[in-house]
Amino acid sequence: DADVTQTPRNRITKTGKRIMLECSQTKGHDRMYWYRQDPGLGLRLIYYSFDVKDINKGEISDGYSVSRQAQAKFSLSLESAIPNQTALYFCATSQTSGRANEQFFGPGTRLTVL
Amino acid sequence: KNQVEQSPQSLIILEGKNCTLQCNYTVSPFSNLRWYKQDTGRGPVSLTIMTFSENTKSNGRYTATLDADTKQSSLHITASQLSDSASYICVVSAYSNDYKLSFGAGTTVTVRA
Repeated sequence: DADVTQTPRNRITKTGKRIMLECSQTKGHDRMYWYRQDPGLGLRLIYYSFDVKDINKGEISDGYSVSRQAQAKFSLSLESAIPNQTALYFCATSQTSGRANEQFFGPGTRLTVL
Repeated sequence: KNQVEQSPQSLIILEGKNCTLQCNYTVSPFSNLRWYKQDTGRGPVSLTIMTFSENTKSNGRYTATLDADTKQSSLHITASQLSDSASYICVVSAYSNDYKLSFGAGTTVTVRA
């Protein structure tokens, strides 16, 4: 779904490097989320934001930070990447109200930390 | 802790056959349950949603059922097609925090010709 885009789609980096993953949406949604997906586990929430001035930690925020630069943009940063942050990362959006909190996901970023 | 368990972890079926995926959850208080389809290299896409009062919902060849008393759901795929090969994820939300979703690990379905 081109309404939620993520860049880059794939990234290989080394331990200790700083890396930023970017998410943009054209759906006009207020709420944005960052998740990570690991094999054999369900998606886990890293951070979420309800508007430009609102940032909230999810269940696994340690080692990550985020920036909500505009309603349409939500970036995830790894200040000093480590190998166990190797995962598939998804950005998602949802409306503040309406169809029972359906979240719309981007295509994902596959991150490998060596 | 809210949990969502899915079974089987993976399955292989022949094109044209049916299959059923299972989801058990402990999320409380229950708000709704969604089944998402995740194609390889793509993000999850919602297939169905059911609230407490709904016990079945269809989307084409996909039929989801919900038993809120036993906290179980199933997703039935009828007359499978090669394009059904994907991971199917059960996602449950609690009434108090509708934006915090509990995700199952998914069932990987492979449809073979």
